[in-house]
Amino acid sequence: DGGITQSPKYLFRKEGQNVTLSCEQNLNHDAMYWYRQDPGQGLRLIYYSQIVNDFQKGDIAEGYSVSREKKESFPLTVTSAQKNPTAFYLCASSIEPGPLNTQYFGPGTRLTVL
Amino acid sequence: GQQLNQSPQSMFIQEGEDVSMNCTSSSIFNTWLWYKQDPGEGPVLLIALYKAGELTSNGRLTAQFGITRKDSFLNISASIPSDVGIYFCAGQGLQGAQKLVFGQGTRLTINP
Repeated sequence: DGGITQSPKYLFRKEGQNVTLSCEQNLNHDAMYWYRQDPGQGLRLIYYSQIVNDFQKGDIAEGYSVSREKKESFPLTVTSAQKNPTAFYLCASSIEPGPLNTQYFGPGTRLTVL
Repeated sequence: GQQLNQSPQSMFIQEGEDVSMNCTSSSIFNTWLWYKQDPGEGPVLLIALYKAGELTSNGRLTAQFGITRKDSFLNISASIPSDVGIYFCAGQGLQGAQKLVFGQGTRLTINP
């Protein structure tokens, strides 16, 4: 089945440690996105990538880093510089970037920093 | 930056009732999307709207893209227990078209 997978579902880390969240899609989509969701809030864009080897900062990129070495993969690293990393992280993809290309979401990873 | 105001924030209804929620913005959007999110899961796309005035249905769900391009509504008819969840509107604007702007969500609770 085609879709977006995120792993792991739950992740626990000690404060000060970097952690990498996985996002893989087999939809052959060009564009991929990372969002952060806090309780009772909408989604906020962290980073997005329109094509392999290219990515741009979203609205809340500080303390995060990404890479896009393969079309199907867009891992997100939450660094120790992120002041409040505990949140629900969602990955999404679309056929190509642009207003007519709907974004589809993965199941999410809940990160808890102890 | 662009912001969406989604209302109501929460709704408590009886099974079988109709539901209506809406989103408004101070700026124009090219696309309006409606998603449903179950607890601990990613949002699932319900309806996508691409033209001002467009009215689209998906089963018991109906959504409209406002004529001014600054608002959208979602209606659910004859609600059932599996409709419970959080509904988000999202818009894509003229600038930064890759970015979706999300509303704060409407939490729907249904009493059987």
